[in-house]
Order: sequence, then structure tokens, then C-alpha cells
Amino acid sequence: GAGVSQSPRYKVAKRGRDVALRCDSISGHVTLYWYRQTLGQGSEVLTYSQSDAQRDKSGRPSGRFSAERPERSVSTLKIQRTEQGDSAVYLCASTSRGEDTEAFFGQGTRLTVV
Amino acid sequence: KNEVEQSPQNLTAQEGEFITINCSYSVGISALHWLQQHPGGGIVSLFMLSSGKKKHGRLIATINIQEKHSSLHITASHPRDSAVYICAVSPNTDKLIFGTGTRLQVFP
Repeated sequence: GAGVSQSPRYKVAKRGRDVALRCDSISGHVTLYWYRQTLGQGSEVLTYSQSDAQRDKSGRPSGRFSAERPERSVSTLKIQRTEQGDSAVYLCASTSRGEDTEAFFGQGTRLTVV
Repeated sequence: KNEVEQSPQNLTAQEGEFITINCSYSVGISALHWLQQHPGGGIVSLFMLSSGKKKHGRLIATINIQEKHSSLHITASHPRDSAVYICAVSPNTDKLIFGTGTRLQVFP
């Protein structure tokens, strides 16, 4: 399709394990963002940005979170040593580079750490 | 203090009421987005603004760059408008900073 898609839609992980969440963005879009919504606490700001760099850790929370870009329109958010507090919905958004860009969002991946 | 603040956090209204959601930000921006998320649904982009005012149906978005403030208005609100409304700003082309959202419930 022409939209942003994320996989898996649902993920259950044991605490301490690493997980990888995938985002397929819109062809031609340069910039991908990851956003987190924490269950029970409403929306949580996660300013994670990625340009053409293969790997970028400039967002927060840092350390255990990183994003890679194996292909131009694909981003993988990796969470190392998951904690129960990482249980949330992770949303991916993409925009084309330039002024006045609109953000397009995926449906999200619901991660549950047990 | 968050770089993007929204108010109110929660809002209830009767069908037909005029609704205003506010967004204030503390950074220089190239664009501001208003987003809508229905329960269990994905996020839909409503508006992208860099100046002035935009209107789409019953929705109106305004921005004042000097005051670093934007408002989203809903006229003649309807229960199907019930959702979380999120303000997000682009301080440059490589970042997107989200507000914490405003949860709106419109009752018939």
C-alpha cells in the first residue's frame, strides 16, 4: 500500500530480552520518527529522529533504544534488555524532506514486556 | 518542562459545542502538526501549519508564530470527534516533538 506500515502489530517479550520493531515508510520519504505511547500514562513524548544516517541515537530515551535503517524506506527500532516500563505502543511516522512536510503514521506496534 | 505543552489534558463536551484545544511550544519551528488518534486506531494527520490558519470541514487550526501558540477548533462537535488530539512541532526537518495529547470526549 501507499501508507506507513509497522510490524508486528503485537509483540510480547520477556523482560531482559531484546526486541526489534519494523517500520516500512512511504517510498521517497527521507525522515522516519519513532514515537511511544505508554499504557495508562497517556501519550509520552519520544523524540527520536533519523535522517539518512544508518544509525541514529539522538532521541530519548537513549542507551537501550536505537534505530537502524537497513533500507531507505525501512527503519528498525531496537530495544535492548527490555524492561516492564517499555510496555507501550510504538508508532512510526515518516515525512518527506523539505519545508511544510506532513507526517504520516503507521498503526503502531503494541509491545508488552512480561 | 516539555517543549510542547497542550491544554487541556482532558476535555468533555456536549454534542454541538464549540471546542478549542491549545498548544504552546518553546522552540523555533518550521511547521506544526495537529494529529488525531481514535481509541485503538492509528494516528491521522489533520493539519500541517507554518503560518496563519487552515480550515477543513468543521476543523480549524490557527498558529501564531510570534507567540509560539496554536489552537485547534472544532465547531458543532459530534460524538465521532471523540479522540486524542496531539500537537507536534518540527524544529527542523530532522525532528518531530510531540505534545502529550488532549483526550476529548463528546457526549450526545
